[in-house]
Amino acid sequence: AQTVTQSQPEMSVQEAETVTLSCTYDTSESDYYLFWYKQPPSRQMILVIRQEAYKQQNATENRFSVNFQKAAKSFSLKISDSQLGDAAMYFCAYRRDSGYSTLTFGKGTMLLVSP
Amino acid sequence: DVKVTQSSRYLVKRTGEKVFLECVQDMDHENMFWYRQDPGLGLRLIYFSYDVKMKEKGDIPEGYSVSREKKERFSLILESASTNQTSMYLCASKPGQRNSPLHFGNGTRLTVT
Repeated sequence: AQTVTQSQPEMSVQEAETVTLSCTYDTSESDYYLFWYKQPPSRQMILVIRQEAYKQQNATENRFSVNFQKAAKSFSLKISDSQLGDAAMYFCAYRRDSGYSTLTFGKGTMLLVSP
Repeated sequence: DVKVTQSSRYLVKRTGEKVFLECVQDMDHENMFWYRQDPGLGLRLIYFSYDVKMKEKGDIPEGYSVSREKKERFSLILESASTNQTSMYLCASKPGQRNSPLHFGNGTRLTVT
């Protein structure tokens, strides 16, 4: 079974600074998808960024980028120029590319942003 | 924008009651999911459905059942609620394409007393 590990239960960053959230996963598959989701306090969970394992280029969405290291099974999220609105729980998730596969989530990292 | 609507934001039920959590999506998505979210445990999959009248067990199906009579609606049923089912319940949907992301509802915080 696949597992997703987020080793940082909580991280802190100051506004305008850069922070990196860690995620590692365990799989024997070669084709899969990786996702980062954001859940603001008392609000809906939304997709931040996704990466296809067959793509070597790291995905980027505005201030959010990933460092995808396939051999190391690592998928970290970098948030640049942090804003107060980035404060949220962040979940890393994995899905293998076959049949009716489902998402496996990590336990989450709470990101605190201070002025 | 995709809208996934969960019928209740907060729910308080008594032990032994039958509880229905409803979820409706408006984008004709084939796939629908029920997750449970607990502090320190992340999201755990209870049940999912890839088509009408089809259901599959997730990682923690015990004590739950589901119903999908129409494509847009996926119901989670607690046949006899227990205190250990106090939790946040999240519904999600997605299209059939494998790399499509999940779209989540706002969640239902269920308290069983």
